[in-house]
Amino acid sequence: DGGITQSPKYLFRKEGQNVTLSCEQNLNHDAMYWYRQDPGQGLRLIYYSQIVNDFQKGDIAEGYSVSREKKESFPLTVTSAQKNPTAFYLCASSIFVGASSYEQYFGPGTRLTVT
Amino acid sequence: DQQVKQNSPSLSVQEGRISILNCDYTNSMFDYFLWYKKYPAEGPTFLISISSIKDKNEDGRFTVFLNKSAKHLSLHIVPSQPGDSAVYFCAASADDKIIFGKGTRLHILP
Repeated sequence: DGGITQSPKYLFRKEGQNVTLSCEQNLNHDAMYWYRQDPGQGLRLIYYSQIVNDFQKGDIAEGYSVSREKKESFPLTVTSAQKNPTAFYLCASSIFVGASSYEQYFGPGTRLTVT
Repeated sequence: DQQVKQNSPSLSVQEGRISILNCDYTNSMFDYFLWYKKYPAEGPTFLISISSIKDKNEDGRFTVFLNKSAKHLSLHIVPSQPGDSAVYFCAASADDKIIFGKGTRLHILP
């Protein structure tokens, strides 16, 4: 069964602590992405990676860091510098469907609550 | 500056009737468009897509229409069913990124 897994489903942390969200895919997709969803904000891109050992900042990268040491894995660290970290975090990977077109497939998400 | 806009935050439709969700975009370089469906606390699931060389794509109860001159696309669901109640995101593909709209919450009324 191919897919994207994110763990855990729910995560609770104290303010000031860094926390790492896991994302693994076995779809053999080259590109992976991290989004956060807030009420009324849609999906906002945090970071993305087109190939192993390379990644780019998205629209709201401040306070976050990523690594891409393996094709299958793209962990996201929410650092203490992120001012409003409580959100629903979604990982995705994408497949090239021709021309400049991609389709993205999403994991189930992780709800992070920081108090 | 929103490149993909879904101007209706919510929509209520009677069960059995047609649901029409609308989306506008500003970047004429977009050449592939997608619709995703999302339930609360779950990841979005891919629903249907359309290439810019087409003006219509149909898959079962779901049809997407594209009007390139107006930079507008719409998703038609007919007949609407209770399980269609969800948030629907319109998206456009540009190079290696996908730009999402803010979503429209669809309520199917019994």
